[in-house]
Amino acid sequence: SQTIHQWPATLVQPVGSPLSLECTVEGTSNPNLYWYRQAAGRGLQLLFYSVGIGQISSEVPQNLSASRPQDRQFILSSKKLLLSDSGFYLCAWRAPGARGYTFGSGTRLTVV
Amino acid sequence: AQTVTQSQPEMSVQEAETVTLSCTYDTSESDYYLFWYKQPPSRQMILVIRQEAYKQQNATENRFSVNFQKAAKSFSLKISDSQLGDAAMYFCAPAGAGNMLTFGGGTRLMVKP
Repeated sequence: SQTIHQWPATLVQPVGSPLSLECTVEGTSNPNLYWYRQAAGRGLQLLFYSVGIGQISSEVPQNLSASRPQDRQFILSSKKLLLSDSGFYLCAWRAPGARGYTFGSGTRLTVV
Repeated sequence: AQTVTQSQPEMSVQEAETVTLSCTYDTSESDYYLFWYKQPPSRQMILVIRQEAYKQQNATENRFSVNFQKAAKSFSLKISDSQLGDAAMYFCAPAGAGNMLTFGGGTRLMVKP
């Protein structure tokens, strides 16, 4: 069966520090991968998506970047965090041609 | 581009009763799906129900059903026999041809014992 792993669950980072959040999927090949951000009490905003290794599309210009070094690995990064980067980050995957998304358990990032 | 409006920031329902959460959306696409996701306090996003826009029949999953009005671009969620475990944020989300989910602002559902 397919599973999605996302870590860490919670992260507190100082302003100006780097960030690396990782997401991996098991049990499937060539998944479509997504990074969403959720501000407190709000809906989810799509940040990046990837349809294959090395292929990254950005939906919202910002202080973050994404990479897909392996088929089932999706990484969200920042060189220098801002206070406004605080939020809840969710990774999701979808099988090519399928309509259903499966979400990871999320990372709560607090920038102080 | 798609937009989604959930006009009820908060709703409350008595345990065992029925509640309906509203959602309207705007899309220029003809082929799309619609989803309702539940986000409990754990913040895990859980798929509740989905509807294919080309189907006229409303989707049903146990106590959860939708009222899909394609012409009105309305997609409401009905929860019957509400349970304490139904308390959560509920998000409506259409997905177009590019299969990108667009989320509404959410409705917080409280269930009173």
